[in-house]
Amino acid sequence: EIVLTQSPGTLSLSPGERAILSCRASQSVSSTYLAWYQQKPGQAPRLLIYGASSRATGIPDRFSGSGSGTDFTLTINRLEAEDFAVYYCQQYGSSPLTFGPGTRVDIK
Amino acid sequence: QVQLVQSGSELKKPGASVKVSCKASGYSFTNFAVHWVRQAPGQGLESMGWINTDTGKPTYAQGFTGRFVFSLDTSVSTAYLQISSLKAEDTAVFYCARDDGRTWLIDYWGQGTLVTVSS
Repeated sequence: EIVLTQSPGTLSLSPGERAILSCRASQSVSSTYLAWYQQKPGQAPRLLIYGASSRATGIPDRFSGSGSGTDFTLTINRLEAEDFAVYYCQQYGSSPLTFGPGTRVDIK
Repeated sequence: QVQLVQSGSELKKPGASVKVSCKASGYSFTNFAVHWVRQAPGQGLESMGWINTDTGKPTYAQGFTGRFVFSLDTSVSTAYLQISSLKAEDTAVFYCARDDGRTWLIDYWGQGTLVTVSS
């Protein structure tokens, strides 16, 4: 099973700042099958990034993903009020599918 | 548009069973697997497994065998999660979700169903 570790656990930032979230895998993620999801309180997760760097439909270009192998990054430029949420990485290249523990981005 | 609509919240006693439904619309149901994901209160997301909507074959993640059953009724484009012998620690929000039909990428989610197990 691929274990995903996310850092930091919590990121406290102000609107307009840049958020950099890290996701590290215990072994290489095959075919760069790494996704990022955003979850707000009381809501289902929403797909942001797939294939490590491709934005899902309707996702603003201030969200970007990068990385390969075992190290991946989600960058959110110019944070807006609606971006304060929990972000999860997930690998979908091998069974069982696994999620990271999440990074909470909150308002400083 | 793609929609997954789940059944409402449930309050059950320990030892009882629950069946959560997930009705799909806006796409060809049997072309995309349905995944189930658990989120315990205040916790992260945990993949429970998925069901191939074409063959009906379920795949369960470790820790979700025995008491958990995935099933389908393709005539009404609906997937089900049944949990038997409920325990307090089963209290969680259960999400159904669809993958993209080519990989295991989850692209659409249901709204979630809260199952509370309490005496």
